Amino acid sequence: GAVVSQHPSRVICKSGTSVKIECRSLDFQATTMFWYRQFPKQSLMLMATSNEGSKATYEQGVEKDKFLINHASLTLSTLTVTSAHPEDSSFYICSARGVKETQYFGPGTRLLVL
Amino acid sequence: GESVGLHLPTLSVQEGDNSIINCAYSNSASDYFIWYKQESGKGPQFIIDIRSNMDKRQGQRVTVLLNKTVKHLSLQIAATQPGDSAVYFCAENSGGYQKVTFGIGTKLQVIP
Repeated sequence: GAVVSQHPSRVICKSGTSVKIECRSLDFQATTMFWYRQFPKQSLMLMATSNEGSKATYEQGVEKDKFLINHASLTLSTLTVTSAHPEDSSFYICSARGVKETQYFGPGTRLLVL
Repeated sequence: GESVGLHLPTLSVQEGDNSIINCAYSNSASDYFIWYKQESGKGPQFIIDIRSNMDKRQGQRVTVLLNKTVKHLSLQIAATQPGDSAVYFCAENSGGYQKVTFGIGTKLQVIP
């Protein structure tokens, strides 16, 4: 099956710093990658959709200048949380889609902002 | 439609019994549906999918039923095992397969 990895798996940072999360498709080329955020005991909320080589499409209410997304290759997308604050603490999950519709999810990154 | 974050409903099932997890979707234009399983602290894991031109699809121990008339989706798990304990999400694909919208989720607790 398709494998998607995320790095780091968890990160703790100070308020005001920036954090970069990587998402990689290990055994397939991902034409599209998605970034989700999940708060405890809640569902996954889509933040943005990114296609390789083009700008990401952000969902309503998601600040594109705060959550920078780069999809530089068919196997790598990065999410940078800029000037992180405690309210940004959450579980960030990426998914990748190849030529078929099925999305395969990464293991998630737990961000804690102090 | 948009999924809204709410506290998860819980389904408790005795080990060995069958489980039925239900989901209502809102976008009548959705034509591809997926069930995901999410264990604590992990990303969602694909279980089974179904297209809107079908009303039933079976996998290993799992069956998905789709009723487009009432916009209802269900996941049936046969002979539920402790390893099935997790949160289950239904998801609908809209916008030309570009994005998946997740439902609220149901927590399945298997009682040994």
